[in-house]
Order: sequence, then structure tokens, then C-alpha cells
Amino acid sequence: GAGVSQSPRYKVAKRGQDVALRCDPISGHVSLFWYQQALGQGPEFLTYFQNEAQLDKSGLPSDRFFAERPEGSVSTLKIQRTQQEDSAVYLCASSLNSAGGKNEQFFGPGTRLTVL
Amino acid sequence: QQQVKQSPQSLIVQKGGISIINCAYENTAFDYFPWYQQFPGKGPALLIAIRPDVSEKKEGRFTISFNKSAKQFSLHIMDSQPGDSATYFCAASIQYNTDKLIFGTGTRLQVFP
Repeated sequence: GAGVSQSPRYKVAKRGQDVALRCDPISGHVSLFWYQQALGQGPEFLTYFQNEAQLDKSGLPSDRFFAERPEGSVSTLKIQRTQQEDSAVYLCASSLNSAGGKNEQFFGPGTRLTVL
Repeated sequence: QQQVKQSPQSLIVQKGGISIINCAYENTAFDYFPWYQQFPGKGPALLIAIRPDVSEKKEGRFTISFNKSAKQFSLHIMDSQPGDSATYFCAASIQYNTDKLIFGTGTRLQVFP
């Protein structure tokens, strides 16, 4: 594919609703990352996958956040019972391999989530 | 210890001038220091990156200066152009680990003609 794609680009949810955000990484990229970017801030790490294995979920802010990548390609970030503080841009990034080499992360355009 | 501190928060430069953005880190285990450029409504894009075994790296108009002893690194944009107007983020990671990036808070650069 041309790059990392994310859908939807914009999502408005009422407080308490569940949302699912999708990431399509670059074909063949082994590593996949989710970041959360609050308005006017730098992205903050949420979770990391190597193929289908979720190797690091230390950045997930609460147990309402859940991510999966069942077949090692497409990933979904799910947020249950959304709260206003979840409003942010959710960025997905992929890289060829995470084996300590020169692994540039390519970012998608993000999904802007607004919780009312 | 995981923080990366970035300054200034915003920067206004005249066309043709030099833009300088500074970052500092605490964790000496960091071994990869990229700079990302982000335009409104877009995801960050890698601009240039450096490893701690070199003190400077130049790619076109963009230069990273790295001071390992001071735990600081900076981005210099020479001959700044209006098209450079964007938000710039420094970042750091540990490459033998998950490669997760720790980002600075960003610098909004405006270049006026």
C-alpha cells in the first residue's frame, strides 16, 4: 500500500459509548504502534505489536483501552465507555521490523476522537 | 527519566533565517534520536535522525547537533522557507527494546516571507 491508513478519520462519540479505531499498516511491516496525541502535545505511546503478539501495552491509560492485531496486519484499538479525557488524535505507526536496527516508524494520518 | 524536554514551544523566523529547536533527555539508555515534522491534519513524518555515536548529522538544510555528555540535541533548519512552517517533535527511543518513541512536546514553527 501507499502508506499507513486509519479509519475513521473523525469519530464523535457520546460519553459512555464504545468506539473502535482501525489501522492498516504498510504491507509487510512487522511492528505496529499506537500513540495518543492530545491537542497541542506530542504523541504518547500506548501499545506495540510485533506481528500478532502484543509485546508492550504499558502506555494504555486504563483497562477501558484494548488493542488487537489478530492476523499480524490490521490492528484495532477499542475504547470502552468513552470519557471526555479520551478525546485526542489516535495515531498508528508501522515499521519494517523491531530488531534493534534502523526501523523508521511510518505514521498514519490519525483518527480524531471527540467525546461529548 | 523517560521524559524528553523540548523548547521553544513556538518559533517565528523570517524566510532565509535559521530555525533552532532544542531537546534534552535524562535516560542514558536512549540510543536513537529522530526528529519528526507534522503538518495540520497529518501524521508525523520522519525528517532526520541521529545515533549517539556521532555529534552531527546533516541532510540538506536540516542538521542535528548531538551533545552526549550534556544529554542534549538540537535541530537546525538553514535557509528556512514558508513551506517549513509546521510542528516539529524531537523523540528518543531504545532500539534494542520495543523502539517505542518518547516524544517531546513539540515546537510550532512559523516562517514568514
